[in-house]
Amino acid sequence: QKEVEQDPGPLSVPEGAIVSLNCTYSNSAFQYFMWYRQYSRKGPELLMYTYSSGNKEDGRFTAQVDKSSKYISLFIRDSQPSDSATYLCAMDDGNKLVFGAGTILRVKS
Amino acid sequence: DGGITQSPKYLFRKEGQNVTLSCEQNLNHDAMYWYRQDPGQGLRLIYYSQIVNDFQKGDIAEGYSVSREKKESFPLTVTSAQKNPTAFYLCASSPGGGLQETQYFGPGTRLLVL
Repeated sequence: QKEVEQDPGPLSVPEGAIVSLNCTYSNSAFQYFMWYRQYSRKGPELLMYTYSSGNKEDGRFTAQVDKSSKYISLFIRDSQPSDSATYLCAMDDGNKLVFGAGTILRVKS
Repeated sequence: DGGITQSPKYLFRKEGQNVTLSCEQNLNHDAMYWYRQDPGQGLRLIYYSQIVNDFQKGDIAEGYSVSREKKESFPLTVTSAQKNPTAFYLCASSPGGGLQETQYFGPGTRLLVL
């Protein structure tokens, strides 16, 4: 079993839809949770960073962490074609970041 | 502009050849990292360095080597011992390598085997 599981998609939605991206994990040592966005053939860029359970909002993006269920989510409101990318969750185990495989998102105009 | 640069963008390796990927940062970060990205597998850590002249193996260090002679530079050599080197290689840096610090990534180098 992988430490971090992420549905690879692809996930295809119409413009304006609400998108939900999810990761589950098995390691209770994970303390910090991140979401990265990666456009094709580019390096990942940090979108959201959270520590505690609960929600964190930044514009159209909301990151949610549920440590009791070992489950994190990224919600994108009013999705745009420019949101089309691969979204990677990442978690810090105290020594290094552990990444999910990434979910490919396509927003159709 | 502050950031991380990687070169070349594409690199071709012949059988039995060692190749070196460049990573330079001007962010004044202490820690630097090398990852390998394969389709469907996410990023896997190859090597990392938290300070000049020191580095540690990551999860998949076999067939790779690094050096950290300068704070701003962290080159990765893919040796002939790495039998499946075709991948997208990403370099990252963070201010001090601590748990709560985020990593910033370069644009990547795609390595292909001839």
